Amino acid sequence: KAGVTQTPRYLIKTRGQQVTLSCSPISGHRSVSWYQQTPGQGLQFLFEYFSETQRNKGNFPGRFSGRQFSNSRSEMNVSTLELGDSALYLCASSLSPRESPYYEQYFGPGTRLTVT
Amino acid sequence: AQSVSQHNHHVILSEAASLELGCNYSYGGTVNLFWYVQYPGQHLQLLLKYFSGDPLVKGIKGFEAEFIKSKFSFNLRKPSVQWSDTAEYFCAVNAAYGGSQGNLIFGKGTKLSVKP
Repeated sequence: KAGVTQTPRYLIKTRGQQVTLSCSPISGHRSVSWYQQTPGQGLQFLFEYFSETQRNKGNFPGRFSGRQFSNSRSEMNVSTLELGDSALYLCASSLSPRESPYYEQYFGPGTRLTVT
Repeated sequence: AQSVSQHNHHVILSEAASLELGCNYSYGGTVNLFWYVQYPGQHLQLLLKYFSGDPLVKGIKGFEAEFIKSKFSFNLRKPSVQWSDTAEYFCAVNAAYGGSQGNLIFGKGTKLSVKP
């Protein structure tokens, strides 16, 4: 099976712009979670989507949003970019707890976002 | 608040030395526990996991971890490290029930450097 794919891999944006990142989960996985990884804060949960619905949300401002499509692909959007948004954004996919008792997340390679 | 603590920020070992990385968590409820590894330039990979049953779990590449419920700990061990084990290791926890399994809470990570 192909793994989780994320596009683009690298992105440079200017403060104040907005950005959209894309994630394609492993085939058959319907749950997608997003994380932000920075040297200072480590890995922090952004949100989780399942069946096109946001199921959980982390402690991030409303500038961070996401959505999931009927084919389970997911996008996250960050509006009004700030310098502190520079990070590696990771997507993870899994089967839902209803589909499997073993909730394992498989991570993609990430999108490296640099805000200047 | 839910949290995961990894005791060591950076560990330096010589090849063939034994490894133990500490992980303690604070979470009110039944949990699943994970260790992930991030090799230089690569994405996060699942090393091993604990859901229930035998508290001593074995993962890939000779790693094992022991869940001690009374101590809220899930330490990672390997009897003899190799240079190829140089990586960053993350301990993570999520709720076993309740619909928030998609929210993995990570420790800050431990960088392991193995000298040849």
